[in-house]
Amino acid sequence: GAVVSQHPSRVICKSGTSVKIECRSLDFQATTMFWYRQFPKQSLMLMATSNEGSKATYEQGVEKDKFLINHASLTLSTLTVTSAHPEDSSFYICSALDRGMNSPLHFGNGTRLTVT
Amino acid sequence: GENVEQHPSTLSVQEGDSAVIKCTYSDSASNYFPWYKQELGKGPQLIIDIRSNVGEKKDQRIAVTLNKTAKHFSLHITETQPEDSAVYFCAASIYNSGYALNFGKGTSLLVTP
Repeated sequence: GAVVSQHPSRVICKSGTSVKIECRSLDFQATTMFWYRQFPKQSLMLMATSNEGSKATYEQGVEKDKFLINHASLTLSTLTVTSAHPEDSSFYICSALDRGMNSPLHFGNGTRLTVT
Repeated sequence: GENVEQHPSTLSVQEGDSAVIKCTYSDSASNYFPWYKQELGKGPQLIIDIRSNVGEKKDQRIAVTLNKTAKHFSLHITETQPEDSAVYFCAASIYNSGYALNFGKGTSLLVTP
């Protein structure tokens, strides 16, 4: 079945540094990838939608200059948290939509970001 | 935009009993309703989904029902097992449009032996 790989699974960084998270679709081409953030015991909140080769669309309240998204190929999207602060500590999850759009949305296993 | 409400937030059942989780949605244009299971520290896994042209779908111990008129859909798990313990999320979206999923707040299901 379709697999979405997310890396790293855990990362700890110091306040003020930047962190890059990768999301790959392993056996299908993903025209669209979504980035979600999930705080403890809460639901998944959509941060942004990225389409291959174009700029990402950010949800209201999400700073595009802080959360940089790049979707340079049909199998890879990256999220870079710039100048991370402790309040950015969260579980970040990506999902990918199959190019054929005739299959469900598949999720990666998430990245636990801790900013100290 | 779409608003998905999910109840209950927590549910405890004994092994072998059934569990039912209910969701309502607000946007009548939504036509795709997946259910995800999330275990601690992992991403959500799709367990079943239903499209608006179908009223019910079943896969072994799991079933989903959809009432388009009332804008609600439910997840039914029969013969629950301890490994069913997890957080379950319902979602709604407009399929084949590239729209992202709108999730409910989740239900923490605990199945006790």
